Amino acid sequence: EAQVTQNPRYLITVTGKKLTVTCSQNMNHEYMSWYRQDPGLGLRQIYYSMNVEVTDKGDVPEGYKVSRKEKRNFPLILESPSPNQTSLYFCASSSNRVLHFGDGTRLSIL
Amino acid sequence: DAKTTQPPSMDCAEGRAANLPCNHSTISGNEYVYWYRQIHSQGPQYIIHGLKNNETNEMASLIITEDRKSSTLILPHATLRDTAVYYCIAPASGYALNFGKGTSLLVTP
Repeated sequence: EAQVTQNPRYLITVTGKKLTVTCSQNMNHEYMSWYRQDPGLGLRQIYYSMNVEVTDKGDVPEGYKVSRKEKRNFPLILESPSPNQTSLYFCASSSNRVLHFGDGTRLSIL
Repeated sequence: DAKTTQPPSMDCAEGRAANLPCNHSTISGNEYVYWYRQIHSQGPQYIIHGLKNNETNEMASLIITEDRKSSTLILPHATLRDTAVYYCIAPASGYALNFGKGTSLLVTP
């Protein structure tokens, strides 16, 4: 089944403790992206990647890092999480501009 | 991305057609209009997209005005499961930066 898989689905952690949210897709898509969703603000893009080893900033990249060492994986890294990064995060992939989303990761930074 | 404007909320009776409008008056000639929906806090789901012509698939129909400044997503026979937030986007590069706030559609029995 074609899908985008995010892990973990839920995480509660503390300020400053590095964390990684993994994203994997099995559709051989070149494009992958991370979004965060906050109440009243809609979905905002954090980073995107057009292909392996090619990444670029989206609308709200501060405090985040990504890597794209292989086509199927696009992890989101929070080196030093802060409470303002508490949010619902979505990973997406695409080959023809139609986005396929994962089920989301709810992060709480205390 | 072209700026899109949608009403924040709409109601529709079950079984009736739901017509969701979107204004994108600044859209350029090669920007497609995409529609997605998000049920509760699930990942957004692609519905349909179009450039100039009206489009139809198994989920919905998309009507784009001749001047391309607005469009309407039509769910022909809305069901309770169509209750969701619907996003209209017109990304310049083809890949959306932001989804905005969308229209919250409530389908009532």
